[in-house]
Amino acid sequence: DVKVTQSSRYLVKRTGEKVFLECVQDMDHENMFWYRQDPGLGLRLIYFSYDVKMKEKGDIPEGYSVSREKKERFSLILESASTNQTSMYLCASRLSGTGTPDTQYFGPGTRLTVL
Amino acid sequence: AQTVTQSQPEMSVQEAETVTLSCTYDTSESDYYLFWYKQPPSRQMILVIRQEAYKQQNATENRFSVNFQKAAKSFSLKISDSQLGDAAMYFCAYSGGNTGNQFYFGTGTSLTVIP
Repeated sequence: DVKVTQSSRYLVKRTGEKVFLECVQDMDHENMFWYRQDPGLGLRLIYFSYDVKMKEKGDIPEGYSVSREKKERFSLILESASTNQTSMYLCASRLSGTGTPDTQYFGPGTRLTVL
Repeated sequence: AQTVTQSQPEMSVQEAETVTLSCTYDTSESDYYLFWYKQPPSRQMILVIRQEAYKQQNATENRFSVNFQKAAKSFSLKISDSQLGDAAMYFCAYSGGNTGNQFYFGTGTSLTVIP
């Protein structure tokens, strides 16, 4: 079974802090994703990566950056956390990309609160 | 960009009964994939069922089946013999041949199963 893990289930940070959310997958997947999930808005894509050191912006990249130095690890960085970034953050990985029926596998999520 | 609409924020069903969750989408692509994901409370999101648009036959996985109407751009999920463990948030998602790696998610339907 594919396993996607996230470094923290719950995180509380202060406004202006730099925040790192880590995601690791163990199935050699090419593609990894970061979403934020808010009630009534579903899942919105922040960034995704289709290879090591490669990244593309999703629908809501403002205020976030990402890093993928190793294939199995994809980090989401909040350079200066703000209260409107309080949310649930989901990481996902996927074996193949465009035009395939491959599903995404999700991590358990990190609930981030910015005070 | 593709849009996915789930018009039922909340649904409820009696245990052992059948419920149908609705999903519509908008796309100009001819080849694409549709997914239903389940997110139980405080647990990881998992794939329930997927449908390939070029297949006319509706997908089925045990008690879960879909009604895929390509012309109407409709992709509903039917849960038969509902069980308490089916209580969850359900998300419909779209992945297209020309949309790269991006999945487009609906806003979710919260399903309650009444004993």
